[in-house]
Amino acid sequence: DAGVTQSPTHLIKTRGQQVTLRCSPKSGHDTVSWYQQALGQGPQFIFQYYEEEERQRGNFPDRFSGHQFPNYSSELNVNALLLGDSALYLCASSPDRNRSPLHFGNGTRLTVT
Amino acid sequence: AQSVSQHNHHVILSEAASLELGCNYSYGGTVNLFWYVQYPGQHLQLLLKYFSGDPLVKGIKGFEAEFIKSKFSFNLRKPSVQWSDTAEYFCAVNAPGGSYIPTFGRGTSLIVHP
Repeated sequence: DAGVTQSPTHLIKTRGQQVTLRCSPKSGHDTVSWYQQALGQGPQFIFQYYEEEERQRGNFPDRFSGHQFPNYSSELNVNALLLGDSALYLCASSPDRNRSPLHFGNGTRLTVT
Repeated sequence: AQSVSQHNHHVILSEAASLELGCNYSYGGTVNLFWYVQYPGQHLQLLLKYFSGDPLVKGIKGFEAEFIKSKFSFNLRKPSVQWSDTAEYFCAVNAPGGSYIPTFGRGTSLIVHP
């Protein structure tokens, strides 16, 4: 059991469409981060949410946006999908915004055709 | 900005062989170091971490890692691998100067033949 749950597990979209991915953090965790993992690469940081606000952001365009709800769950939205957005999207939660290790979900595999 | 390099992208070993996976980072200040593992079909999970103190840290399943500050390295070791160690291994670093956002290496794919 990952503790962190993500949905859906797989998704196929067409270029130009929009997608929403969802994440429920591990119980007791209030900080959620999103990562993009391309094939053969390590996870790349997209952004972090805490107290319903985006706190940190990686080098991703504004097409990537998110939201955190009062129950700490989170969404990742990607607009105007490009072929290059095809990747595994990982959600990770932690009990704080300091040095605590991340707890990851199983990810959502997004394919853009 | 911090960066992490994992020099071994693919490693193939036989059971009982010894393992060492390299990890180097670039950041001049205080760092926290992690190794994560992803077994086939499973989520990324923590293998071990280093915050401070004894530079030799022990993790789950017989893994250990040594922090060598002068070499900016945090290599992962296991004296005798098992078939069940087949997985992807990721080194990561976070730092107060980087708002504790972890930076990951590109990973090492380990295949252990029985």
